[in-house]
Amino acid sequence: EAGVVQSPRYKIIEKKQPVAFWCNPISGHNTLYWYLQNLGQGPELLIRYENEEAVDDSQLPKDRFSAERLKGVDSTLKIQPAELGDSAVYLCASSLGGKDYQFFGPGTRLTVL
Amino acid sequence: DQQVKQNSPSLSVQEGRISILNCDYTNSMFDYFLWYKKYPAEGPTFLISISSIKDKNEDGRFTVFLNKSAKHLSLHIVPSQPGDSAVYFCAARSNNNDMRFGAGTRLTVKP
Repeated sequence: EAGVVQSPRYKIIEKKQPVAFWCNPISGHNTLYWYLQNLGQGPELLIRYENEEAVDDSQLPKDRFSAERLKGVDSTLKIQPAELGDSAVYLCASSLGGKDYQFFGPGTRLTVL
Repeated sequence: DQQVKQNSPSLSVQEGRISILNCDYTNSMFDYFLWYKKYPAEGPTFLISISSIKDKNEDGRFTVFLNKSAKHLSLHIVPSQPGDSAVYFCAARSNNNDMRFGAGTRLTVKP
């Protein structure tokens, strides 16, 4: 069974440029999460989807970050414009339901110069 | 606000010995606790969990202990193996599915 797929794995951009990350969850998983992980820290939730509905986006900086999960399957996370402080690993995870443990993708390491 | 704390950034143990990783939490609304293991360049993978109605859960070499009164949990690995070398994250979830992670502890098991 394929795990959570994320692309790209690495991205280097200059500040003020836009960037987008893509996530394909495990088939059949209704709940999808985007996390931000800074160096030496644990994952911090950005947004959680139940199917196509964003049920928790309280930690998403909405002035520059946006996300969508069309048809309740794949999801994209966008940053526009990127800032130096956005350099981090962006993790996508999925689970059968909100109370099941999560399967994580390998993450996208973003470097903003 | 750090609701889940792993105060030891790193831990080194000898192969065959016990590894004990600790985690403290502050939010009494957490009712489910998980441990994840992370290798370099990979995402975290689920290891073991415990509900707040229990004080111990065991799975092979891994045991998680929960002390609700102290708001403390620990992960015991016995015996430790070199392949256990990784970063271990403690996570806690509340009834509304809000999950918080600790900063992680890097475990090194020396042959």
